[in-house]
Amino acid sequence: DGGITQSPKYLFRKEGQNVTLSCEQNLNHDAMYWYRQDPGQGLRLIYYSQIVNDFQKGDIAEGYSVSREKKESFPLTVTSAQKNPTAFYLCASSRGAGFDTEAFFGQGTRLTVV
Amino acid sequence: GNSVTQMEGPVTLSEEAFLTINCTYTATGYPSLFWYVQYPGEGLQLLLKATKADDKGSNKGFEATYRKETTSFHLEKGSVQVSDSAVYFCALRIPMEFGSQGNLIFGKGTKLSVKP
Repeated sequence: DGGITQSPKYLFRKEGQNVTLSCEQNLNHDAMYWYRQDPGQGLRLIYYSQIVNDFQKGDIAEGYSVSREKKESFPLTVTSAQKNPTAFYLCASSRGAGFDTEAFFGQGTRLTVV
Repeated sequence: GNSVTQMEGPVTLSEEAFLTINCTYTATGYPSLFWYVQYPGEGLQLLLKATKADDKGSNKGFEATYRKETTSFHLEKGSVQVSDSAVYFCALRIPMEFGSQGNLIFGKGTKLSVKP
């Protein structure tokens, strides 16, 4: 079945550590996105990529980094510079940047700083 | 700027009640509009969408009509079930020629609880 797979589902990080969240899609989509979800805040865009080897900062990119070396993969690294990393992280993909195309979401990764 | 405003929750209804979740937007150009649903501990799933004025999106008994004159896209369902309990997100997407990043812009979500 085609879809988006995020791993792990739960992740615990000690303060000062970098962690990487995995996102893989087999939908052959060009565009991929990372969102952060906090209670009562909706979803906020961290980074997005419209094509392999290219990505752009979203609204809250500070303290995060990404890479897009393969079409199907878009990992997100939460660095120690991110001051409040505890949140639910959602990866999404879409066929392109056409305004009427829907986005498909993974199941999310819940990151907790301990 | 571009934004989506949803009614604040939580919304609590009895089974078979009528549901309305209000959504209004501010946008440059002519956006597409979406409703997504999120069940506990999961990602978002597309519920319905509309891409131009007066379009009606519908799915699983839910409906929403793209109202350009009132910049609204209210979600409705005639008879809710316990299984509809979830968080509902309204979202828009702007064409890139209007300076968009090409991503979805979301409202803050409305939590719906349906009691038997």
